Amino acid sequence: GAVVSQHPSRVICKSGTSVKIECRSLDFQATTMFWYRQFPKQSLMLMATSNEGSKATYEQGVEKDKFLINHASLTLSTLTVTSAHPEDSSFYICSAWGAGGLNTEAFFGQGTRLTVV
Amino acid sequence: GENVEQHPSTLSVQEGDSAVIKCTYSDSASNYFPWYKQELGKRPQLIIDIRSNVGEKKDQRIAVTLNKTAKHFSLHITETQPEDSAVYFCAASKGNTGKLIFGQGTTLQVKP
Repeated sequence: GAVVSQHPSRVICKSGTSVKIECRSLDFQATTMFWYRQFPKQSLMLMATSNEGSKATYEQGVEKDKFLINHASLTLSTLTVTSAHPEDSSFYICSAWGAGGLNTEAFFGQGTRLTVV
Repeated sequence: GENVEQHPSTLSVQEGDSAVIKCTYSDSASNYFPWYKQELGKRPQLIIDIRSNVGEKKDQRIAVTLNKTAKHFSLHITETQPEDSAVYFCAASKGNTGKLIFGQGTTLQVKP
C-alpha cells in the first residue's frame, strides 16, 4: 500500500513556542490530506482538510489561526501549532486518500506526540 | 455534519469467543465504512472496510455487515485471540473524499 510519512514522531516544546509537523505522501500524490488530533483514550477528531494550492478547511471549533496548515505541494502538508500551550499536548495524525480509483483507502502517518511544557 | 456512535466502549471476551462492535451513522449519504485497529501510540491500521453497494464483507476471522436502511454497521471477530486486544474504531465517509468521521472507539480485551 501507499506510504505516508509524518515527522517528527515526538516533540517537546515550551509554552508559547510554535511547532511544525510534516506529513508526506512518499509514493503517490495527494491533493487532499487530513489532520486529526487524538487525546489520551479518546477518538480521532478531524481538525481540518488540507487542500493542495488552496486554503485549508477547518472543522467547527478548530482555531485556524492557531493551527496553521500549508499544503504547498502534492506530497507535503504541514501543520504548525502556534503559541503552543499545555492543553495542545496531544497525538496529531495526518492521513492522505489513496491516489485514483473508487476502491482506495486512507493512509495514515505515524503520528506526532506533542508535549507542551 | 456526520456523527458516528460506537458501542460498547469496552468489551472483554474469553479467547476463542466472538466479539461484536456496533456503529451507527447519521448521514445517509455516507458510503464508505472502514474499521481500524489501533495500538497504543501507533497509527490506526485498517482491518476491513465496506462500501455501501454491499451488505457484508468477510476476511478470515473478521467480517463487517452494513444495514443502510437502519444506518448501522458492525464488526464481527470470531475465534478471538489475545493479540486481537486493542482499541477498535469505526468510521464513516461520503463521496470519494477520504474525510473520515470516527466513532468513539472500543477497547477490546481478549483473556487467555
